[in-house]
Amino acid sequence: DAMVIQNPRYQVTQFGKPVTLSCSQTLNHNVMYWYQQKSSQAPKLLFHYYDKDFNNEADTPDNFQSRRPNTSFCFLDIRSPGLGDAAMYLCATSRDGRQGHQPQHFGDGTRLSIL
Amino acid sequence: AQSVTQPDIHITVSEGASLELRCNYSYGATPYLFWYVQSPGQGLQLLLKYFSGDTLVQGIKGFEAEFKRSQSSFNLRKPSVHWSDAAEYFCAVGSSYNTDKLIFGTGTRLQVFP
Repeated sequence: DAMVIQNPRYQVTQFGKPVTLSCSQTLNHNVMYWYQQKSSQAPKLLFHYYDKDFNNEADTPDNFQSRRPNTSFCFLDIRSPGLGDAAMYLCATSRDGRQGHQPQHFGDGTRLSIL
Repeated sequence: AQSVTQPDIHITVSEGASLELRCNYSYGATPYLFWYVQSPGQGLQLLLKYFSGDTLVQGIKGFEAEFKRSQSSFNLRKPSVHWSDAAEYFCAVGSSYNTDKLIFGTGTRLQVFP
């Protein structure tokens, strides 16, 4: 089945130690998203790619970076994780919205813990 | 500013009972509306979507939703809830200024008792 795959499902890192989360998709969608979701809250959009065009949300901390080397893969880099960055990180994809908003397809997320 | 409101943070129903989850939005034009479900420890799964046409839309898992422009609502319904429906439900509306972005409500947690 075509899908959005996130690795790893669980990630533990130390305070201040860089960490990278990965996302791959077989849907061939040109838009990819990274969300942060804390307990009992809605997903919060960090940034998204329209093809290779990077779109950062105004309130996303500089500590969060992203790379999209090709259509299928997207990475979330947290340069110096703090305790407040412990959360579920969700990757999603969609077709572009030129014909109107498209549904987003989500991976199962990576739960990040900070020691 | 554009927003989505889910007034019920937590709902508890008995298995077999009917269900309605509320969603209200603010949007100037005809909105694109979505309902997603999130089981514990998993990502969001699309239940259904409304773009135009028939205001009663059918989704997966026996869910349906009705768009009511006069009430700015898009409530999710199911006639008979199953224990496996226990999850978090998110309503979302397409952003008015970027067709690649969604605005999510804060979610409703559904608990189902046997």
